[in-house]
Amino acid sequence: RKEVEQDPGPFNVPEGATVAFNCTYSNSASQSFFWYRQDCRKEPKLLMSVYSSGNEDGRFTAQLNRASQYISLLIRDSKLSDSATYLCVVKYGGSQGNLIFGKGTKLSVKP
Amino acid sequence: NAGVTQTPKFRILKIGQSMTLQCTQDMNHNYMYWYRQDPGMGLKLIYYSVGAGITDKGEVPNGYNVSRSTTEDFPLRLELAAPSQTSVYFCASSYSATGATEAFFGQGTRLTVV
Repeated sequence: RKEVEQDPGPFNVPEGATVAFNCTYSNSASQSFFWYRQDCRKEPKLLMSVYSSGNEDGRFTAQLNRASQYISLLIRDSKLSDSATYLCVVKYGGSQGNLIFGKGTKLSVKP
Repeated sequence: NAGVTQTPKFRILKIGQSMTLQCTQDMNHNYMYWYRQDPGMGLKLIYYSVGAGITDKGEVPNGYNVSRSTTEDFPLRLELAAPSQTSVYFCASSYSATGATEAFFGQGTRLTVV
């Protein structure tokens, strides 16, 4: 069974804090990895792809560990606007191209 | 650029009624998907399509049907609504099924079956 596991949280942090989320996936054949952001009652939107060498986009850093089958997202200098649910997403290749979503980790950044 | 458009945004159905959730995209994407999201749960794939005329079942297809007569449109049909189908439905599309290609989502349809 293909699964993606995340800590549901919530993570309650003050503004300016650094927060990290982890995600594990069960199928070693996974090919692509993403973090999506979902605001309350809104659709998911791509935050960033996750590359094998790790990648950074401003205050956000994503890491992939294929040997241990986990993905991480680090948010530095948290802003109030970062409050959302962060979805870990794994894509399996082939004609199906299915995206497997984790249940999400809820982040709440407080003043 | 509208992206992925879903209609309606909200709907209340009685048990046994039927309805079609509409989804259209203007990005010329070959791949389209229907997901449902229950409270506190991840998105579950209902059906997907790799191109016009081709559809296939996802993880939770029972109670639903789809068609893909054009590249742009991918409607989802509920024939006999049941309370278990109360959920938020998201349509998505992507350029490719492989590689790190982004999936774009519609704004969702909130369906309640009573």
